[in-house]
Amino acid sequence: DAGVIQSPRHEVTEMGQEVTLRCKPISGHDYLFWYRQTMMRGLELLIYFNNNVPIDDSGMPEDRFSAKMPNASFSTLKIQPSEPRDSAVYFCASSRKGNEQYFGPGTRLTVT
Amino acid sequence: EDQVTQSPEALRLQEGESSSLNCSYTVSGLRGLFWYRQDPGKGPEFLFTLYSAGEEKEKERLKATLTKKESFLHITAPKPEDSATYLCAVQALNSGYSTLTFGKGTMLLVSP
Repeated sequence: DAGVIQSPRHEVTEMGQEVTLRCKPISGHDYLFWYRQTMMRGLELLIYFNNNVPIDDSGMPEDRFSAKMPNASFSTLKIQPSEPRDSAVYFCASSRKGNEQYFGPGTRLTVT
Repeated sequence: EDQVTQSPEALRLQEGESSSLNCSYTVSGLRGLFWYRQDPGKGPEFLFTLYSAGEEKEKERLKATLTKKESFLHITAPKPEDSATYLCAVQALNSGYSTLTFGKGTMLLVSP
C-alpha cells in the first residue's frame, strides 16, 4: 500500500517566485496535514483538512501561504511570493479519523 | 497552550548500552501521546500511541511508557540502526481529536 506521496522532493527557487508543493494522502484517510520543519522551531502545523475542508489554518505564517484540497487524493501548499525565511522542509501527513498520522518524505525548499 | 519538552536533546550510546528518552508534556486533557522515529532526510515514522497513565507498548528494542506528566522511551541493548531522532507528540482532547503538538526531538546516536 502506497504511503503519502509528496512532490517535488527538492525545490530551489529565487526570492519572489511562486512555489507549489504537492501531496497525495493515503487512500481512505480523511485528515490531511501540512507541517514545516526547521532546526530552530521543530515541526510546526501549518494547516489541516478534514474531508477536503480546511479546518484550522492558524499556523499559516502569512497571507503569502495558501493551501487547497480539491479532492480526497490531492492537496497543494503554495507560497507566493517566496522569501529566504521560508526555507525549510515541508511535510504532508494524513490520518484516519484523527488517529496516528503518517508522514510523507517531505519537500526540502531552499529560497535564495 | 499545549507544550512538549524532550530531553536530552542528543544522546550518544555504545551498542548494547540501554537508556531512556524523556518526554514531558503539559496539555489540557490528554487524548493520546505519540512517538515517532525520524531518519535524516525522511519523514517521521509512527512508532506508538499511548492513551492512559500506566500504559506500556513495545516494539523490538523499544518500550514506551506513560504517566500523567511524562512519557519515556526505553531503548534496550540498542544497535547502530536505532540511530535516529525520536519525536514525541501529544493530542489534546480539545484539539478536535486531530492535531498533534510535537517536541523538538532527541537525536540518538548508537556507536558500534
